Amino acid sequence: RKEVEQDPGPFNVPEGATVAFNCTYSNSASQSFFWYRQDCRKEPKLLMSVYSSGNEDGRFTAQLNRASQYISLLIRDSKLSDSATYLCTGGSQGNLIFGKGTKLSVKP
Amino acid sequence: SAVISQKPSRDICQRGTSLTIQCQVDSQVTMMFWYRQQPGQSLTLIATANQGSEATYESGFVIDKFPISRPNLTFSTLTVSNMSPEDSSIYLCSVEDGIGYGYTFGSGTRLTVV
Repeated sequence: RKEVEQDPGPFNVPEGATVAFNCTYSNSASQSFFWYRQDCRKEPKLLMSVYSSGNEDGRFTAQLNRASQYISLLIRDSKLSDSATYLCTGGSQGNLIFGKGTKLSVKP
Repeated sequence: SAVISQKPSRDICQRGTSLTIQCQVDSQVTMMFWYRQQPGQSLTLIATANQGSEATYESGFVIDKFPISRPNLTFSTLTVSNMSPEDSSIYLCSVEDGIGYGYTFGSGTRLTVV
């Protein structure tokens, strides 16, 4: 069975903290990986793509480790507005498998 | 990225009835995907809708329960048939924004069956 596993959390962190999420995938043939953000009662929205070489977008860094079959998301200098559920996903064209999401709560 | 208009945004339905959810995309796409997200759970793929052919259903989902239409490259519907309270969930459509660019999702339909 092809799955994507991630720690459901919740992660409760203070503003300004650095927080890291990891996600493992079982299908070694997966080619594309992404992190999504989902706010309460909203649809998931693409946060960033994940590459073996690493991908950085401001305070967010995503990394893919193909050998160990995991992807990671690092959020630096957490903001209150970062509070959301973060979904990792991997797969191939037309066949993305989503994790259950990790809930992040950033407190003042 | 694509822009998807999904409706209705929410509905409360009686058991035994059916609800049809519509998704309109602002560009032509080959595949459209229908997902279900139950409370506290991740996204579960129901089926992939291709224009001009029957939808491909994932394990645990059948056409009689979730019939799908795909009349053209910008539109699709999902019907939840003969509903029961267990069908209460959020239903989302999505499209792929080009190979390697991830998916864009519709705003979702929050369905409650009473």
